Amino acid sequence: NAGVTQTPKFRILKIGQSMTLQCTQDMNHNYMYWYRQDPGMGLKLIYYSVGAGITDKGEVPNGYNVSRSTTEDFPLRLELAAPSQTSVYFCASSPGTLIPIQYFGAGTRLSVL
Amino acid sequence: QQPVQSPQAVILREGEDAVINCSSSKALYSVHWYRQKHGEAPVFLMILLKGGEQKGHEKISASFNEKKQQSSLYLTASQLSYSGTYFCGTETDNAGNMLTFGGGTRLMVKP
Repeated sequence: NAGVTQTPKFRILKIGQSMTLQCTQDMNHNYMYWYRQDPGMGLKLIYYSVGAGITDKGEVPNGYNVSRSTTEDFPLRLELAAPSQTSVYFCASSPGTLIPIQYFGAGTRLSVL
Repeated sequence: QQPVQSPQAVILREGEDAVINCSSSKALYSVHWYRQKHGEAPVFLMILLKGGEQKGHEKISASFNEKKQQSSLYLTASQLSYSGTYFCGTETDNAGNMLTFGGGTRLMVKP
């Protein structure tokens, strides 16, 4: 029962570096999401996808990119990391509108110094 | 615009009751409730749909007032395991399963 798997769990980046946060799910869910959670705050949607080949911006997409080449994988790319991107990143998946429950991964804690 | 949750924090003794509120300025299609333990991922509790009934899950239940665009989460006879941060996620009509989360309510249950 893997569910939603995120890697890495922790990462420290220097300003200007780039990295990819990996997210994979084994539940055959069509919908996938990326959120960021700043300390003591709620979740903010970065990008989402309703199926392979389809992605769209959420509330806070600037500084990030995504791709969805398969149903299982939904990587999040950070280009030119900035201190404002220090946060915990959660990936989630959902079967869709008929069963709109979102299942979250364990998160990636990212610090940009 | 994100929904507003109240209170921001609450401390209870085991066995006491609590109510957490979630209010939106937009017309809502559904309200989702999640609980997040410290350092862990959010976990789904329940969903309330427009036109639906009050939901319950053991001693945790919730209601949805469509006219006021408000939802309330009721925790009765609280247990130590209820400690965590509770988030409501709201979905507006035609949002396509996109949730906007509130800022969270921190709940601490003490022995």
